[in-house]
Amino acid sequence: GESVGLHLPTLSVQEGDNSIINCAYSNSASDYFIWYKQESGKGPQFIIDIRSNMDKRQGQRVTVLLNKTVKHLSLQIAATQPGDSAVYFCAETEGGATNKLIFGTGTLLAVQP
Amino acid sequence: DAGVIQSPRHEVTEMGQEVTLRCKPISGHDYLFWYRQTMMRGLELLIYFNNNVPIDDSGMPEDRFSAKMPNASFSTLKIQPSEPRDSAVYFCASSFPSPETQYFGPGTRLLVL
Repeated sequence: GESVGLHLPTLSVQEGDNSIINCAYSNSASDYFIWYKQESGKGPQFIIDIRSNMDKRQGQRVTVLLNKTVKHLSLQIAATQPGDSAVYFCAETEGGATNKLIFGTGTLLAVQP
Repeated sequence: DAGVIQSPRHEVTEMGQEVTLRCKPISGHDYLFWYRQTMMRGLELLIYFNNNVPIDDSGMPEDRFSAKMPNASFSTLKIQPSEPRDSAVYFCASSFPSPETQYFGPGTRLLVL
């Protein structure tokens, strides 16, 4: 029979444009959030993190925004490049003493030249 | 710097055979994680260790799966007997000093026929 897999949301952008990837989380007790980038055939790679006592953090060409009121996280990539094409995952700590990261389903970013 | 090292990178086996996946964490990291990634279920945490001691194995699917960490620089994930539904990419990750910012290996792509 036909298998049903996860349908990854896809964001298609032109090279040089800014990209915004969104993530919703459900656990209000989560206190730490991370964005990972996974290129085809590779493991997830750490991009940037943010703690719940912050609402914005900037890195090199990337910015993470956290809105705890609506439990929403976003990753902004400035001047998107072909090398940014990948699946992007947000992850959150489960809270408490479990120390486990819970990963979202991911968003595929496709950069058009 | 050497990152997390996993072997083999690809494994093809027949149903019923034993499979052993290996991981060498980043030197000095005291947390080690095993994940499984499939299209159906995304990225799932199977088990993690702290200072070579298993802390949480609640993600291990069933008794066919076992993991060990005999020392700080080596861990194995064993599947015995293997089944076609075990086909997936298995990632190892390590972290220090907290378990949250994890660095992933390249993964082992397992196909059970």
